[in-house]
Formats: sequence, structure tokens, C-alpha cells
Amino acid sequence: GEDVEQSLFLSVREGDSSVINCTYTDSSSTYLYWYKQEPGAGLQLLTYIFSNMDMKQDQRLTVLLNKKDKHLSLRIADTQTGDSAIYFCAEIPTSGTYKYIFGTGTRLKVLA
Amino acid sequence: GAVVSQHPSWVICKSGTSVKIECRSLDFQATTMFWYRQFPKQSLMLMATSNEGSKATYEQGVEKDKFLINHASLTLSTLTVTSAHPEDSSFYICSARAGTEITGELFFGEGSRLTVL
Repeated sequence: GEDVEQSLFLSVREGDSSVINCTYTDSSSTYLYWYKQEPGAGLQLLTYIFSNMDMKQDQRLTVLLNKKDKHLSLRIADTQTGDSAIYFCAEIPTSGTYKYIFGTGTRLKVLA
Repeated sequence: GAVVSQHPSWVICKSGTSVKIECRSLDFQATTMFWYRQFPKQSLMLMATSNEGSKATYEQGVEKDKFLINHASLTLSTLTVTSAHPEDSSFYICSARAGTEITGELFFGEGSRLTVL
């Protein structure tokens, strides 16, 4: 089946690093994405990684991809209260209908 | 980045009435737009894929007569919830893909919260 799974909640202290994990199922996915959703708002693309990469760094964000285990993670360095939001990973399997499949979302709470 | 705007952001309506939600791509042409529904504390559920000038493709379990989608131009798609009932209350989000690349980036609207009394 097409299930993208994430842990539901994560709580960290301001200034610490946050690591949000995602497990996807379709190894044909070429692109994997991380989106951020603030309360009552749409989704904002944070970053993405090509399936032929292991790591991508973008300022405070680091994405790690383990294709063998179909595991994707997002690390946020020096987490701030403004980072509190829901984070969704998403994949586009190229073996099927080319539709975005979103993970269940991880609610990140940053404590001051 | 590209901007997608939804209107209205909030709408409250009486049971039995119809509500139209607009999704506009402001600075790019969107050949494909997507409509999602999001329940509280849950992920996005794809309802339908809307292609300009053709009928929308609905996901399994989504009633096409209940959720009418029109994509009349390259910058506008509308979702009409017909004869709304309280169980239709939800957060509806649209997204638009710039260009024709299947794996192209999606740009999301701000979402529209529908409350049916």
C-alpha cells in the first residue's frame, strides 16, 4: 500500500535540534519533500531531496535519506519557537499515478 | 515563490446550502490543481485532481455530485460543496502545479475552513 508514516508529536526546547522522521513505502519515488503547516494555514514547501542523494543541507535544515530502509528525516538546528508547526513529508511514487502522498504529519512543539 | 490564493478563508453556512471555494494561481499558469480535505490533527486527503478544460478526476470514495470541481481557466479552479451538511465541515486546501512536470513543485493555498451548522 501507499503509506507514509511519521510520529505524531515531538517536543523540544528552544535552541536544541529537532529530528522529524518519516518512513515511506514506494522505492520508485524520485523526489521526497518536507512541508510545514502553521495553524490554520496551507502548506509551505521547506525543502526536497532527489532520490539519488543521501543528504541535503539548507541553512538550519538537513535532510537525510536512507533509500535502503526507505527512511527520510528532517533535522532542524537551533530550533526556534517559530518552528512550532506540523511537518509533513511527501513522496511522489513514479510507479503509479504520480500523485503526492503525504505523511501523517508530525506536530512539533518548541518550548521556550 | 509562486502564490496560490484561496477564497474565502472562513465560511459558515446553514445545512442544505451550497458553498463555493475558489483557488487561484496569482502569478503562474496551473494546468493541474488539486483539492484536499484535512480533518483536525490529520493529514491531507486528496479529493480530486483538476485539469484545465477537462473533467476532474475524483479519488475513490469522493462523491463527484457532492463536490463539484470546475477548472475553467489556467488560473482558477473552484470547489462547490453542494447541499452541505455538518459532516462536510472541514479544512479544504487546494494546490497548484506550475508547468507540466509531474514531479513539479506544488504550491498550496492558505486553506478554507468550512463550518456547516
